[in-house]
Parts: sequence; C-alpha cells; structure tokens
Amino acid sequence: KQEVTQIPAALSVPEGENLVLNCSFTDSAIYNLQWFRQDPGKGLTSLLLIQSSQREQTSGRLNASLDKSSGRSTLYIAASQPGDSATYLCAVRMNTGFQKLVFGTGTRLLVSP
Amino acid sequence: ETGVTQTPRHLVMGMTNKKSLKCEQHLGHNAMYWYKQSAKKPLELMFVYSLEERVENNSVPSRFSPECPNSSHLFLHLHTLQPEDSALYLCASSYHPGAGREQYFGPGTRLTVT
Repeated sequence: KQEVTQIPAALSVPEGENLVLNCSFTDSAIYNLQWFRQDPGKGLTSLLLIQSSQREQTSGRLNASLDKSSGRSTLYIAASQPGDSATYLCAVRMNTGFQKLVFGTGTRLLVSP
Repeated sequence: ETGVTQTPRHLVMGMTNKKSLKCEQHLGHNAMYWYKQSAKKPLELMFVYSLEERVENNSVPSRFSPECPNSSHLFLHLHTLQPEDSALYLCASSYHPGAGREQYFGPGTRLTVT
C-alpha cells in the first residue's frame, strides 16, 4: 500500500528565506507526482505536476524535483513571502487501476513579515 | 461560474438529519471525485465517477451515498452521520481518470456533525 510522508509537518520562516519541503513515498510505481497548496478551510490549488519520466518542474519561484527510484520529491520555494503561507500537499498518482491520487498529510508553512 | 463549485460551504447537522452536498464542474470534464479531509489525516478518496458510472468506492460507510446524474453534477447524500464524520469534503473533476489527468478541486464543504 502506497504511503506518502511529508516532513516537516510545520515550518515557520522569516520573509525572504529560501526553503525546502520534503515528500517521500514507499512505492516507486507512480505515474506522476503533484504538489498542491491549500489555504485554511479552502480547496486545493495545483502548483506543479511532475511526470514519472521527469526530474524537475519549475514555475516562478517554485521548483519541484523528483527522484522516483529513491521515492523522494522536494519543493523548493525561493525568496519566500507572507503570501506563501499555506499548507503544501504532495500527492502521487498510482500506476494502476484508475490511477488514484494518494496524499501526504502536508507541511504547514508560515512566512512572517 | 468557472472551475469547480460546491454548496453549501458550511453545514452543521445533527446525527439524525438527512442532508446533501452538491458539486458542479464547468470544465467539460467527464470524471468526478469525492474526498474527505479530517484533521491531521491525509485526504482520503471516497468515490470516483467516470462518465456518470461509479468506478471506485473506497470502503465508505453506507451512511454516505453518492449520486452523479450527469457529468457536470455530483451529490453526496448524508444520513445518520456520526461526530467523527465531521470534516472538509472536497469535490474534484478531471478528464478520464485512467489517463493521469490533473484533478481540479472545489473549495470544499465544511461539515460539522453534532
């Protein structure tokens, strides 16, 4: 059974810092991996999607990497801003059946001015 | 309206009530999903509908009953719920689920069972 773990569970940094969020998964037979952002009490916003054949994806100040063989992904946020404060969720899409998404429990990020 | 919408946004119900959650997608997708998000737990997939046919039921208790009348609408009918069912219920949609397509999420319904 696929399990997705995110470390740390919570992170508090001052504005301007570069930071790394970690995601690990137990079954490397994935189709792709997706990072989401969730604001308090809200739905999920997709940030980056990395196909299993890719190593990384970039969007603005965000860079996500994928090492499928070791079951790891990182989300790098450059020059953090207070508006980046949210919970970041990692999800892997399985390579079987209808390719369900399996989520981690998230990292709650607080960026202080 | 664009994207995925959910109503109501907040719902408080007693254990003996019957209520329904509604989801509507305006993206032309043909697959829809219900997820449950409880405090300090990962999102759990509850149901998947593809072309209005249920293709996944993730061992969800029968007090949750989904309905997908067409590819744009999805309902979750609730009856005789328990306090532990209090959670954020998220709806999502995508193109055919077997094609690895990205899912788009609604804002969720915050459910409190008293």
